Amino acid sequence: DTGVSQNPRHKITKRGQNVTFRCDPISEHNRLYWYRQTLGQGPEFLTYFQNEAQLEKSRLLSDRFSAERPKGSFSTLEIQRTEQGDSAMYLCASSHTSLRGSEYNEQFFGPGTRLTVL
Amino acid sequence: SQKIEQNSEALNIQEGKTATLTCNYTNYSPAYLQWYRQDPGRGPVFLLLIRENEKEKRKERLKVTFDTTLKQSLFHITASQPADSATYLCALISYNTDKLIFGTGTRLQVFP
Repeated sequence: DTGVSQNPRHKITKRGQNVTFRCDPISEHNRLYWYRQTLGQGPEFLTYFQNEAQLEKSRLLSDRFSAERPKGSFSTLEIQRTEQGDSAMYLCASSHTSLRGSEYNEQFFGPGTRLTVL
Repeated sequence: SQKIEQNSEALNIQEGKTATLTCNYTNYSPAYLQWYRQDPGRGPVFLLLIRENEKEKRKERLKVTFDTTLKQSLFHITASQPADSATYLCALISYNTDKLIFGTGTRLQVFP
């Protein structure tokens, strides 16, 4: 399967614990995005990377959240000291920037990691 | 404040009819507007993209219109089928950014 993959698919943790999620984008996609989705809502943008550079971060991304893409391939999203309000589906997407740079390219989403904080 | 509104109530239609979903936005100047399909427990799947200077786009049984004066997009599924039952999300992209701003989605249920 050459789509975007995310691990784990489900994570249950206790409040105060740290969790880390992994996203493997479609190979050769240079852009990678993280979104968060709560029940009944659309996904909310968190951050995105071009290769290993983090280009934009949402104000939703508090100091407890950190994302990395060290080699410009897979990415990790870590949440420290989890809170019940962090319970959500965390979605990863990837795209390939147009060579011209001015044309938008479709984002391909993974299946998501569902986090439950007890 | 910036807002993207989709009908939060589910749309129930009979198989074979045309489903029409609405997306309204305020305080945005999007470069692109897109529609996604999302099934329960899965990530969104891209369906169609329309640019700000385009009025209409078609793909098989799907049609999207974009009115930047009304700040509205309509998404049509003709000859609807039960397999079209899902949540449909509209999303905007502004210039100079690559992030998607999503609406809340509308759940479509097509009955045989």
